[in-house]
Amino acid sequence: GQQVMQIPQYQHVQEGEDFTTYCNSSTTLSNIQWYKQRPGGHPVFLIQLVKSGEVKKQKRLTFQFGEAKKNSSLHITATQTTDVGTYFCAGRGTASKLTFGTGTRLQVTL
Amino acid sequence: DGGITQSPKYLFRKEGQNVTLSCEQNLNHDAMYWYRQDPGQGLRLIYYSQIVNDFQKGDIAEGYSVSREKKESFPLTVTSAQKNPTAFYLCASSATGGETQYFGPGTRLLVL
Repeated sequence: GQQVMQIPQYQHVQEGEDFTTYCNSSTTLSNIQWYKQRPGGHPVFLIQLVKSGEVKKQKRLTFQFGEAKKNSSLHITATQTTDVGTYFCAGRGTASKLTFGTGTRLQVTL
Repeated sequence: DGGITQSPKYLFRKEGQNVTLSCEQNLNHDAMYWYRQDPGQGLRLIYYSQIVNDFQKGDIAEGYSVSREKKESFPLTVTSAQKNPTAFYLCASSATGGETQYFGPGTRLLVL
């Protein structure tokens, strides 16, 4: 079945440093979604990418979908303590099923 | 307000007891999902339903059961066959399968 892996599993940065998490699928995706889960909370949808090579920005967050539509990345510029949480990618395959990635937990300290 | 609700927020189970977690949505979504999350871990799919009166097993269905008698409701029963049920359970819904999922606040299940 479809598998979606994320690296790193965990990253600890100082406030102001950049952060990137990478998402890789075993199969080609029709779209990829990103979610954020704050500590103790539930996942919240951030964005969806559909086109090959697509890049979208939300303030300090930059999302990219690979040319082959099998990988994606989320880059945060100048992290803040409010960025703390776990970031999940979720890939939609041909079976109209969304498969969540393993997640990357981000810790930001002052 | 439109949204997805889960109850209770915390649930305690005794050994050998079945417990049912509630999930309700008023978003008019066709698809609903149940996930299990262990501390520091990702989301594992238990069951999902793409339409009323139909549901499919996810990756870790053993020891769990569901029903989908109404579009708005997708309750999850954790049976006594689930030997390690302590976890955070998240319910989600989407307009159709594969679309953006909206999550409820979750239920934390603890075994006494």
